[in-house]
Amino acid sequence: AQRVTQPEKLLSVFKGAPVELKCNYSYSGSPELFWYVQYSRQRLQLLLRHISRESIKGFTADLNKGETSFHLKKPFAQEEDSAMYYCAYSGSSNTGKLIFGQGTTLQVKP
Amino acid sequence: DAGVIQSPRHEVTEMGQEVTLRCKPISGHNSLFWYRQTMMRGLELLIYFNNNVPIDDSGMPEDRFSAKMPNASFSTLKIQPSEPRDSAVYFCASSWGTASNQPQHFGDGTRLSIL
Repeated sequence: AQRVTQPEKLLSVFKGAPVELKCNYSYSGSPELFWYVQYSRQRLQLLLRHISRESIKGFTADLNKGETSFHLKKPFAQEEDSAMYYCAYSGSSNTGKLIFGQGTTLQVKP
Repeated sequence: DAGVIQSPRHEVTEMGQEVTLRCKPISGHNSLFWYRQTMMRGLELLIYFNNNVPIDDSGMPEDRFSAKMPNASFSTLKIQPSEPRDSAVYFCASSWGTASNQPQHFGDGTRLSIL
């Protein structure tokens, strides 16, 4: 079955430390992968998608097809990065359906 | 653009009552998604519509749940009868087109508590 796994429910780091939020998917095709973020009291929103190969708010994510991973990284965490992060993918469906992981809460301590 | 609009924001009701959640997608978007968010299971897709037609309702937990999209600007998710285990935050999202790489835009959610 198609599945997205985020192994950590909570990741706690100090400000300035590197951050890596893990995401693994189970799909053998050519998936589209995304990271969504939900800041406190705000709507869930798109952070970045792998096809754009962009860096948003200092975050990057590289698709590793060999390891079926799409980990989210930032070299120096900021307190305002504290939020819930969801990894999601869209498989071969052409209707925009996404499958989300269970989410990881990132807590950046001062 | 107000984005995806959901109502009510909060709903508290007694078990056995009918609950109706509402969603207005972004104008021009032709895909609409209903999700449920809980601590235990994270974000689960319940059902999604494309051009007002239900495409996949395999995530709907039971027959007590039903969803409709009578037109392009309105959708409802109904639970009848409601049970305490239905307590969760329910999100509606919409997107444009059928390409899998189009971002979904989420509403603020409805926080549902069944007593």
